[in-house]
Amino acid sequence: EADIYQTPRYLVIGTGKKITLECSQTMGHDKMYWYQQDPGMELHLIHYSYGVNSTEKGDLSSESTVSRIRTEHFPLTLESARPSHTSQYLCASSGLGRLTGGEGYTFGSGTRLTVV
Amino acid sequence: SQQGEEDPQALSIQEGENATMNCSYKTSINNLQWYRQNSGRGLVHLILIRSNEREKHSGRLRVTLDTSKKSSSLLITASRAADTASYFCATGGKRSGGSYIPTFGRGTSLIVHP
Repeated sequence: EADIYQTPRYLVIGTGKKITLECSQTMGHDKMYWYQQDPGMELHLIHYSYGVNSTEKGDLSSESTVSRIRTEHFPLTLESARPSHTSQYLCASSGLGRLTGGEGYTFGSGTRLTVV
Repeated sequence: SQQGEEDPQALSIQEGENATMNCSYKTSINNLQWYRQNSGRGLVHLILIRSNEREKHSGRLRVTLDTSKKSSSLLITASRAADTASYFCATGGKRSGGSYIPTFGRGTSLIVHP
């Protein structure tokens, strides 16, 4: 079944560790996104990608980095985790052409990150 | 900013009642989308309404769009306890490369009591 997967679901890690949050989709979508969301708050776009080898920074400044080497895979990396990075990270993808301006997003279940 | 703002922030109703949530935005849009989020999970796309549409239905959901007032409403009829979730509107903001990426408000937290 076509879907979007995020791993791990929960992660508790010590300050200074390098972490990678995985996101993979099997829908063949060309566009993928990372959002950060604190409990009860809005989603903030931190990275997006229009396709392989294309990545852009979003609205919220983030110390994370992303890569898009394969269409289906869009991992997010934090080189040195800090307590301020504690949040929920949501990955999403979408698949219609750029100029339609209106496809729905498919979201993963999220990774809840806690940095202690 | 294109960010939509949902109103009310929280809504508590009894099962069987209707729930209405509103969304206001600031600039012209290409479309407006509504999403649902269960606690601690990702968002689920509910419905998309384009700027040239005024009303759209999907099951027990009814969405209206008034571009002159820059507002939209989501109506859930005959609510069920399983409808308990946060509901977000998202309005498209044009980015570099020509694509539209929606931005989200804080959402309306809906609690439906059995």
